[in-house]
Amino acid sequence: SQQGEEDPQALSIQEGENATMNCSYKTSINNLQWYRQNSGRGLVHLILIRSNEREKHSGRLRVTLDTSKKSSSLLITASRAADTASYFCATDTAGKLIFGQGTTLQVKP
Amino acid sequence: SQTIHQWPATLVQPVGSPLSLECTVEGTSNPNLYWYRQAAGRGLQLLFYSVGIGQISSEVPQNLSASRPQDRQFILSSKKLLLSDSGFYLCAWSFTSNQPQHFGDGTRLSIL
Repeated sequence: SQQGEEDPQALSIQEGENATMNCSYKTSINNLQWYRQNSGRGLVHLILIRSNEREKHSGRLRVTLDTSKKSSSLLITASRAADTASYFCATDTAGKLIFGQGTTLQVKP
Repeated sequence: SQTIHQWPATLVQPVGSPLSLECTVEGTSNPNLYWYRQAAGRGLQLLFYSVGIGQISSEVPQNLSASRPQDRQFILSSKKLLLSDSGFYLCAWSFTSNQPQHFGDGTRLSIL
C-alpha cells in the first residue's frame, strides 16, 4: 500500500534555483526518510527525520516535518545538473518503509 | 564499510520459467534484508523482509518467495514466472528497523 504522496510528480528548474518537493502521509510514523534514485539505479538514502524533529539539514538539503499535518518537504538549494534524479519519501511505520510515488526532478544546465 | 551486491543486472525470462535473484551484503552481520519491486515510474513495493536467518515475512501475496540461507544472503525465487512479475527488483539492507536502508543496483526483469 502507498502511504506517501509526493507533489509535484515532476519538476523542471534551471541550475542554481531551489527545488522543493512535498510529501504527505496518512498514519503515524516513527520517522520519515528521503531517498534519491538516478535512472535505472538503486536508491540512495539522503536524510532521516524522526517524528519528534521538525527540521533537519544536510549540506544543500533541508527537510521539514509537520506531524500535525502529516507532511514533509525536501528543499534542495542551489541545484546542480547532477541533482537530476527521482526523489522519494518513505515513511517508517512499525519498522517497515512505505514509499511514495516520487518526484522526478530535472535540473537544466 | 558495508557493501551490497545484487545480480544479475538484467534478466529476460520466458513465462513459466523459474527465477532466482541473489543479494549479498558484506561488512556487517545480522542485517535486516529487504526485497522490493518497482514498476516503471512508480514507487517501491515491499515484497519480503528478513530480520534473521530463516526468518522471512511476506508483505504481498504473490507468485514469489524469498529465502535467507545465510546471514548475509537473501534470495528471491519463483517456480513459474508470470508476465506480471516483470519489473525492477531491488534488494536492501539496514542495521535494524527504523534505520536507513541501503540499496543494491537492482535487477531489471523482463518476462516474454
